[in-house]
Amino acid sequence: DVKVTQSSRYLVKRTGEKVFLECVQDMDHENMFWYRQDPGLGLRLIYFSYDVKMKEKGDIPEGYSVSREKKERFSLILESASTNQTSMYLCASSVQETQYFGPGTRLLVL
Amino acid sequence: GENVEQHPSTLSVQEGDSAVIKCTYSDSASNYFPWYKQELGKRPQLIIDIRSNVGEKKDQRIAVTLNKTAKHFSLHITETQPEDSAVYFCAASKGAGYSTLTFGKGTMLLVSP
Repeated sequence: DVKVTQSSRYLVKRTGEKVFLECVQDMDHENMFWYRQDPGLGLRLIYFSYDVKMKEKGDIPEGYSVSREKKERFSLILESASTNQTSMYLCASSVQETQYFGPGTRLLVL
Repeated sequence: GENVEQHPSTLSVQEGDSAVIKCTYSDSASNYFPWYKQELGKRPQLIIDIRSNVGEKKDQRIAVTLNKTAKHFSLHITETQPEDSAVYFCAASKGAGYSTLTFGKGTMLLVSP
């Protein structure tokens, strides 16, 4: 059974803080993705990675960066958190087209 | 890039009725179309998918149809049950390899007993 875990379910941060969201998958998947989910806007792709050390921008990369030092771990970094980054963040992994999602991190930026 | 439109945004039905959710896509090169279900407070999970060489696919009470000419695909749920209440997302992709999924905005389905 595929398992994708995220480091926190809920997170509260202050404006300007550097925020790290971590995602780990245990199925040796090549591909990993970060989305944000907002009501009425669906799932929007922030960044994705097809291999270690490799990253590609998605549809809304502004204000975010990522790191993939190991195959199983994909981190999303908010360099300087802003209130408009308050959202649900979902990580996913895949080996072909089917994406398996983590439980999500609900981030509140005050 | 790809654009996926999904309708309706909310859908209320009585238990036992059928529900239909429709999506259109813009990129004719897309050839893989999954549907995800997200129950309240839970992660999205794949419930069914279809590829462009198939017109229809069925799995128990759930079916998906694809019209490549018109660039639209639909999710059909028959004999709805309260546990079908969730947000449903359609998506489109160019398929295997380095392709990403483009999601619709979601449909909140409410099944009343």
